This record gives sequence, structure tokens and C-alpha cells, in this order.
Amino acid sequence: GENVEQHPSTLSVQEGDSAVIKCTYSDSASNYFPWYKQELGKGPQLIIDIRSNVGEKKDQRIAVTLNKTAKHFSLHITETQPEDSAVYFCAASKGTSGTYKYIFGTGTRLKVLA
Amino acid sequence: DTGVSQDPRHKITKRGQNVTFRCDPISEHNRLYWYRQTLGQGPEFLTYFQNEAQLEKSRLLSDRFSAERPKGSFSTLEIQRTEQGDSAMYLCASSSGQPTDTQYFGPGTRLTVL
Repeated sequence: GENVEQHPSTLSVQEGDSAVIKCTYSDSASNYFPWYKQELGKGPQLIIDIRSNVGEKKDQRIAVTLNKTAKHFSLHITETQPEDSAVYFCAASKGTSGTYKYIFGTGTRLKVLA
Repeated sequence: DTGVSQDPRHKITKRGQNVTFRCDPISEHNRLYWYRQTLGQGPEFLTYFQNEAQLEKSRLLSDRFSAERPKGSFSTLEIQRTEQGDSAMYLCASSSGQPTDTQYFGPGTRLTVL
């Protein structure tokens, strides 16, 4: 069945260092990959996304890379700050291929140590 | 544009009672989604509406669950005869479908079944 695996489950970095979170998806028809940040007691907030026709996308300190052949995508956060501490979720969607639901990973709890 | 809103934010109920949650999507978003999130997990898809039509339901959505979007605007999710296993965060998201089906989430309703 459809599945998205996410690693690591927890990640601690020193302020100013980089953080990388990796996801692997099972359905080769997936064509849209958003990343969400969720703070305690709040709903997920979109931080960046990438479509399958693009290999990399960057927005200030955040970047996402996609390897369609290997079916994996990664989130890169540079120059981490304490306010980056949260749970991050990757997701995969088949978009216009008949269903719009997102399949989420299990999340990565990022702690940025000051 | 005030974002997706959900009401109530918290609900405590006794096993066997019925509960109803409301979601107001971003205005003019024609797609509306319900997800369920348990502690330490990513959101899991429950159901999706395009305008007032319910187009997809997960097998997670047992016959005790029903969702409506009567006029293609707000939506309600009702759980009948609640069980302790229904305790979770219920998230609503909406999207416009263009150019990608980026889903924007509300703050969620946290349900506790005693």
C-alpha cells in the first residue's frame, strides 16, 4: 500500500548548524511533496513544497531535494535557530492522478539547542 | 483571508456520546479534507469533499463517522457512540486545487473520550 517513511524520528542540532530530514515514498505515481512544520497544540503549517518535475527548490534557509528514481526527498534547514524547533512532517500526493489525499510520514522532532 | 478555522478546539466527552466538529475553510477553496492525528504520528486521511460532493473516504472512516459539506462551504464531522480509541486530534484542511493541490490546515480539534 501507499507509505511514506521518514527519518530520523528525533534530531538535535546546535544553533547555527544544518538539519537534514529524509523521506522515502512507495507509490511511483506520487507527484507532489509538501513539508509541514507543526508546533505544539497547533495544526501543520506548510513550509515548502516540490513537484515531481523539479529536482530542487530553495526558500531562504530551507531547501528540498527530490530524487524520483530512488523515490526519496529531503528537507534541508541551514543556519538553524531555536524557533525552528518543532515537529516536521513530509507528505506525498498523487495530485491529479485520481486522488488528492496526502500520505504523511511519521514526523521528525527537531530540537535546536541554543 | 483568515485561514482555516475549526470549532471547538477541545472536546472532552464520555464514551458512547455523540460529538460534532465544524470546519470553515479558506474562502473560495473548493476542496476540503479531514484528517486524524494521534500522538506521535502523522495525520491520516479520513475524507475529502470537492464543493458539496464527498469524493473519497478512507477505510478508517467507520460507519460511526459521518461528514457533510451541505453548501460547499463549511463542513461538519460527526462521531456517533464515541470510543476511547477515537481520542485524537481532528484536522481540517482546504485547497483551491490550483496550480497545485496545496492543503492549508486548521488548528485542529482535540477530542478526549473518557
